[in-house]
Amino acid sequence: DGGITQSPKYLFRKEGQNVTLSCEQNLNHDAMYWYRQDPGQGLRLIYYSQIVNDFQKGDIAEGYSVSREKKESFPLTVTSAQKNPTAFYLCASTGTSGNYEQYFGPGTRLTVT
Amino acid sequence: GQSLEQPSEVTAVEGAIVQINCTYQTSGFYGLSWYQQHDGGAPTFLSYNGLDGLEETGRFSSFLSRSDSYGYLLLQELQMKDSASYFCAVRRSSGNTPLVFGKGTRLSVIA
Repeated sequence: DGGITQSPKYLFRKEGQNVTLSCEQNLNHDAMYWYRQDPGQGLRLIYYSQIVNDFQKGDIAEGYSVSREKKESFPLTVTSAQKNPTAFYLCASTGTSGNYEQYFGPGTRLTVT
Repeated sequence: GQSLEQPSEVTAVEGAIVQINCTYQTSGFYGLSWYQQHDGGAPTFLSYNGLDGLEETGRFSSFLSRSDSYGYLLLQELQMKDSASYFCAVRRSSGNTPLVFGKGTRLSVIA
């Protein structure tokens, strides 16, 4: 089955530690995205990548970093510089140009204490 | 800036019809999408309007008026499983560009 996987589902970290969230897709999609969702809020864009080895900052990139070394993978690192890292993180992808549907992974709920 | 406005909460009775409105102000507009998200789950795509008018997919319909910067999602024959959050999202240009999401409308379906 094609889809997007994110792991782990739940992640707990101490303040001051960097943490990397995994996102893998086997849909052969070119573009991948990271969103952050806080309770009662919409999805806010952190970073996105339209092709391998290229990515752009979204609206709330501060304190985050990404890489896109393979088409299938788009990991997100939450650094200690992110002031409020506790949130639900969603990874998504879209296919060929003109395809407007975004496919989402199941999300990772990160709790930092 | 970019803004999408939608009601924060809506309550409706099982079997009824409910309409969730979305108005938008964005730099660039190429289409309006709707996504459904159950608690703790991932958003799933419901519909897309690139042109003015009504799109129907089963019990769900979506409408767009570009001149009014307005769209809505219509859910008919409501079922308990329709209780979820619904997000409108604007596609600002063609190609694989990010969507801009509204804050979501939490729909509660009651018996």
